[in-house]
Amino acid sequence: DIVMTQSPDSLAVSLGGRATINCKSSQSVLHSSNYKNYLAWYQHKPGQPPKVLIYWASTRGSGVPDRFSGSGSGTDFTLTISRLQAEDVAVYYCHQYFTTPYTFGQGTNLEIK
Amino acid sequence: QVQLVESGGGVVQPGRSLRLSCAASGFTFTSYGMHWVRHVPGKGLEWVALISHDGNSEWYADSVKGRFTISKDSPQNTLYLQMNSLRIEDTAVYYCAKKPTSVDAMFPADWGQGTLVTVSS
Repeated sequence: DIVMTQSPDSLAVSLGGRATINCKSSQSVLHSSNYKNYLAWYQHKPGQPPKVLIYWASTRGSGVPDRFSGSGSGTDFTLTISRLQAEDVAVYYCHQYFTTPYTFGQGTNLEIK
Repeated sequence: QVQLVESGGGVVQPGRSLRLSCAASGFTFTSYGMHWVRHVPGKGLEWVALISHDGNSEWYADSVKGRFTISKDSPQNTLYLQMNSLRIEDTAVYYCAKKPTSVDAMFPADWGQGTLVTVSS
């Protein structure tokens, strides 16, 4: 199984600041046939279902503000949230859909400093 | 618009069974693969199972393989998760989710609101 490891486990950032969350997969999620990274990022707030922010490692989901960006390839990925707003307080997860069993990272808890 | 409504959660004793349902609307049910994903309170998300658009293929997390079964009733536009031999560690909010509408990928994109399963003696 592919193990997804996120860092840090928790993060406190000032309003208007930048948050950076890292995700490392135990094996590459880059598909050789289409050169796409099978990696998504989700935002999960209490009492709500998760929301997909990023897929293919760097493509923003529908309606997702451009303050959210994803980067990386192979085994190392980053989610960056710029100009942090109060509504961004949530737990963020990376997710590989390269091969079953699909797996999530353990989550990163983002708070306001 | 896409709507997914889970039901069937509740309190159940260890070793017993429970069946979750997910009523789907707003899209062609037979055209999309469907997932179950769970969130353990105070912990993270765990992918549970996936079924192909036609219901002919299924994939499971190691933690539920042999105990849980995912299925689709296409005429009823309903997704199921049959959970047998339940364990305390299966306690979670269970979400159904569909693959994205216009992206050729299988990640969970549209989600229901979830149903809580509590396994306790």
